Amino acid sequence: DQQVKQNSPSLSVQEGRISILNCDYTNSMFDYFLWYKKYPAEGPTFLISISSIKDKNEDGRFTVFLNKSAKHLSLHIVPSQPGDSAVYFCAASEYNFNKFYFGSGTKLNVKP
Amino acid sequence: EADIYQTPRYLVIGTGKKITLECSQTMGHDKMYWYQQDPGMELHLIHYSYGVNSTEKGDLSSESTVSRIRTEHFPLTLESARPSHTSQYLCASTEGGPGQPQHFGDGTRLSIL
Repeated sequence: DQQVKQNSPSLSVQEGRISILNCDYTNSMFDYFLWYKKYPAEGPTFLISISSIKDKNEDGRFTVFLNKSAKHLSLHIVPSQPGDSAVYFCAASEYNFNKFYFGSGTKLNVKP
Repeated sequence: EADIYQTPRYLVIGTGKKITLECSQTMGHDKMYWYQQDPGMELHLIHYSYGVNSTEKGDLSSESTVSRIRTEHFPLTLESARPSHTSQYLCASTEGGPGQPQHFGDGTRLSIL
């Protein structure tokens, strides 16, 4: 059973606007959450992460929000740029950081 | 900048052939992983290793095998390729521990005819 879910396969946003990508999880033992970005023909690259003891982490245009009670996290990109167009994967790991569980990805298209 | 390399990048090969997908990292990471991904799907963990001579099967059953004789090298082998093995294979490594993400190679896209 899939423990990390991204229910939106795709998202289209106008340049300069906010992009919000969502992720839900089922395992309450997850202790760390990460977002990766993937361009075609390349491997995923790490974008931003958040520990379960926080509810927000910000890095430049990227902010991740965590709602533990709802088992939900989101990635906000403000302002969105055409170069942000990629597939975004949400991932989670338990406290031992031995294994990572990935969602199926959301393809973001930022239109100029 | 993460340094993890996968070869070949693309492979088209006939059924029944033995295949080895190479993965090497220069970061000295103990933890290494192999994922299988089909388009629009999540990354499925098929093998992982916590260090030399340590290998474990992942959550997705796979007919492949792995070895970890050296820290930097984590090859994946298919003894007899079948069309059902057609997929993208991604290798990753990490230091492990809080806040340490995985670093991924660019993947091998495998097509079995």
